Amino acid sequence: DTAVSQTPKYLVTQMGNDKSIKCEQNLGHDTMYWYKQDSKKFLKIMFSYNNKELIINETVPNRFSPKSPDKAHLNLHINSLELGDSAVYFCASSQARSRLYNSPLHFGNGTRLTVT
Amino acid sequence: GQQVMQIPQYQHVQEGEDFTTYCNSSTTLSNIQWYKQRPGGHPVFLIQLVKSGEVKKQKRLTFQFGEAKKNSSLHITATQTTDVGTYFCAGSSGNTPLVFGKGTRLSVIA
Repeated sequence: DTAVSQTPKYLVTQMGNDKSIKCEQNLGHDTMYWYKQDSKKFLKIMFSYNNKELIINETVPNRFSPKSPDKAHLNLHINSLELGDSAVYFCASSQARSRLYNSPLHFGNGTRLTVT
Repeated sequence: GQQVMQIPQYQHVQEGEDFTTYCNSSTTLSNIQWYKQRPGGHPVFLIQLVKSGEVKKQKRLTFQFGEAKKNSSLHITATQTTDVGTYFCAGSSGNTPLVFGKGTRLSVIA
C-alpha cells in the first residue's frame, strides 16, 4: 500500500542515452511534483502538475519532459543524458490545488540516476 | 526570488545533547514546513507552521515560527541515534512554490 511509488530505484546509464522514470500515487492527491536532489542534498523543484496540467516549470533543460497521463501518474523522460544529470530524483504529491502551497508533500523513495 | 537559508549545514552531537537548526527567509512566509530525511531515504513531512509566533511540539522536537514569519527553528532535546538524518525547512509565500533550505545534517555519536 505504498503511497507514492517511483521506478526504477536505481538507474545507471551512459551519456547521450534517453531514460524514463515513472511515478504513481494512490493518495488521491491532485498535485504531483518532480524534485532533483544533488550530491550536496539540495532539493530543487523541477516540475509540478495539477490534475494533469503543468503549473510549475522551473529552469530545467528542455531535455527533461514530464508527462502526466492522469492525476495519479507523473513520469519524467530525459533525453540525451549528461554527466550533470546524475542525482536523486524524487517524485512527490500533495493535496488539492486550493491549498497547494500549504499542503505537505509526500515523497516517493527516489530514483538514483548515475550517468557515466 | 525567494531564498530560504538554513544553518548549520552539519551538526555532530553526543547522544543526549540538544540540537537546533535555524531557517531564515528573505521574504515573509505564509507557512513553513519541516521535513526529515534519513540517510538513504526520502524526505518525510514532520510539521507545518502557519501562525506568527507559533510553537508546536512533537515529543522531543519543538518547532517555532518567528513573529515576523521570516524565520523558524527546530530544536531536539536529548538527541538519540534515531534522530540521525538531514532536517529541511521549506517555506512558501503563498503564491510561490515551496522553497527548501539546504538542510542540516545531524550526526549523533552514541
